Amino acid sequence: GNSVTQMEGPVTLSEEAFLTINCTYTATGYPSLFWYVQYPGEGLQLLLKATKADDKGSNKGFEATYRKETTSFHLEKGSVQVSDSAVYFCALSNTGGFKTIFGAGTRLFVKA
Amino acid sequence: ETGVTQSPTHLIKTRGQQVTLRCSSQSGHNTVSWYQQALGQGPQFIFQYYREEENGRGNFPPRFSGLQFPNYSSELNVNALELDDSALYLCASSLKDSGKGNTIYFGEGSWLTVV
Repeated sequence: GNSVTQMEGPVTLSEEAFLTINCTYTATGYPSLFWYVQYPGEGLQLLLKATKADDKGSNKGFEATYRKETTSFHLEKGSVQVSDSAVYFCALSNTGGFKTIFGAGTRLFVKA
Repeated sequence: ETGVTQSPTHLIKTRGQQVTLRCSSQSGHNTVSWYQQALGQGPQFIFQYYREEENGRGNFPPRFSGLQFPNYSSELNVNALELDDSALYLCASSLKDSGKGNTIYFGEGSWLTVV
């Protein structure tokens, strides 16, 4: 079945450091891929998405590229801020929009 | 702001009781999904409703049931509550179409504690 695996956290970085959170997936067909962010005490917010191979999703300085050959969708940001501290979830949804499958989440702490 | 609202935000129930959680979809969205997020884990799909009918279900027992109303709002009902049902319950709405995977928009969730 479909599944998402993302790197375990927590990840602790200093402000302005480079961020990479790895995500790989297993899926039949051609899923859409997503990154969601969850700030403390809140629900999930869509951060970015990509719907086909080689697409790059980007938002708020975060980027991720849909790599079909490596079945990956790694999240990157060139310079993190304290306000980026949150839990990040990689997710996929198969063609047709049926249920979204989430990874276990990666907690990011950014120190000033 | 996603336009998806859930109520109540927090509640405490006793084991064996029943609970109803409510969700109002984003305007124009015809599909609603419910997810359970246990502490420290990713959301797990419970079920999805489209046009007032269940359109798919995850690995949850029948005591988890739902409804979708003509205005696309929804309820999640859980009977015979167990301690392991303690979690954040997330509602998500989307617009069902024939294209690629839909983006879903989450509410802020209902925190359920079973004691």
